[in-house]
Amino acid sequence: NAGVTQTPKFRVLKTGQSMTLLCAQDMNHEYMYWYRQDPGMGLRLIHYSVGEGTTAKGEVPDGYNVSRLKKQNFLLGLESAAPSQTSVYFCASRWDDPPMNTEAFFGQGTRLTVV
Amino acid sequence: AQSVTQLDSQVPVFEEAPVELRCNYSSSVSVYLFWYVQYPNQGLQLLLKYLSGSTLVKGINGFEAEFNKSQTSFHLRKPSVHISDTAEYFCAVSGPGGGADGLTFGKGTHLIIQP
Repeated sequence: NAGVTQTPKFRVLKTGQSMTLLCAQDMNHEYMYWYRQDPGMGLRLIHYSVGEGTTAKGEVPDGYNVSRLKKQNFLLGLESAAPSQTSVYFCASRWDDPPMNTEAFFGQGTRLTVV
Repeated sequence: AQSVTQLDSQVPVFEEAPVELRCNYSSSVSVYLFWYVQYPNQGLQLLLKYLSGSTLVKGINGFEAEFNKSQTSFHLRKPSVHISDTAEYFCAVSGPGGGADGLTFGKGTHLIIQP
């Protein structure tokens, strides 16, 4: 009963380095999302996917790329990390079955520091 | 487009006292409304949701919320708080498109329980 699993949980990057955050869900959800959480800003949507092979931009997509090659996985990539990308990143997934099944399930987060 | 405003960034309250966390939203269409709780260093957990029907919604841990369409509000209440309720609380809204609209979050309210 894993739900949504994010790896890694913590990471420190140097400016200019690249990395990939992995999100895996075992609930067969169609929709998956990447958010970033910053103090006083709430959660802001970076990118999302409405199904395998699809991706779309959210509110703050610049500097990030995503891929959804398999339904259960949603990858978030940083090609050239910047200190402004220091944040806590959350992955979420949900059904497309309104109105009964609409809530999102969240991973535990990845705390990323870019120095 | 939709937006969420949480009117208080921080709410201090004494243990066993009642509490109300305020949330207002704006949307041009009917919406689904959610309250999530985030305990320190954890992901987000669903407290309760309004999809349709009765405007008074009960959730976990003794919380409830009332949907008021005319005032576009979805305030969260608890009649008697416990020290373990100390957490960040997020109000969120989703459009009728379900997953494609994602979830739009407020900036959060930090509930501080004082002994």
